[in-house]
Amino acid sequence: GGIITQTPKFLIGQEGQKLTLKCQQNFNHDTMYWYRQDSGKGLRLIYYSITENDLQKGDLSEGYDASREKKSSFSLTVTSAQKNEMAVFLCASSATGLQDTQYFGPGTRLLVL
Amino acid sequence: DAKTTQPDSMESTEGETVHLPCSHATISGNEYIYWYRQVPLQGPEYVTHGLQQNTTNSMAFLAIASDRKSSTLILPHVSLRDAAVYHCIRMNNNAGAKLTFGGGTRLTVRP
Repeated sequence: GGIITQTPKFLIGQEGQKLTLKCQQNFNHDTMYWYRQDSGKGLRLIYYSITENDLQKGDLSEGYDASREKKSSFSLTVTSAQKNEMAVFLCASSATGLQDTQYFGPGTRLLVL
Repeated sequence: DAKTTQPDSMESTEGETVHLPCSHATISGNEYIYWYRQVPLQGPEYVTHGLQQNTTNSMAFLAIASDRKSSTLILPHVSLRDAAVYHCIRMNNNAGAKLTFGGGTRLTVRP
């Protein structure tokens, strides 16, 4: 088995601030994802990466940057936090190939004051 | 849009076997049926998945209709820990395929 670690667990930011969220996985998976989940709603894909240094935009990439520094880590940056924004950011990973089961981390909870 | 239809909520009692239905009438031949569950303050947890044949693991049994237009997640002898929102998802088998969650079914388990 493996584990996905997300840091920080909770993040409080100011309007306009640049905020970075980090994700680490030890599954040795090739593909990693960043999703956003708003209260009571489903998941929306922000970015994903199929290998080190690769980056693919999802449906919600505007306002975010991402970086796949190495196979085990994937970072997400909120380029300019929006006032009163509140959401959970979920990192996931999957092996490359067929039946890409995605395994999730515990999430980072963002609140912008 | 890869949509599925699930009841908003279901209730059960500890020890019962729960059948969670999911309709996916327009599913494509290369789409798998995935089930995840999520409890508050945690990320989604993988439960099981299948393509055509029924599947079983330590968590659940997945029964897939022969025409693949519906499926049922069967949770034997539920405990309080099984209370969660259960999401039924269609997903193709390409790398980078995104998960799209709908509202899911909120399962309540009574002691």
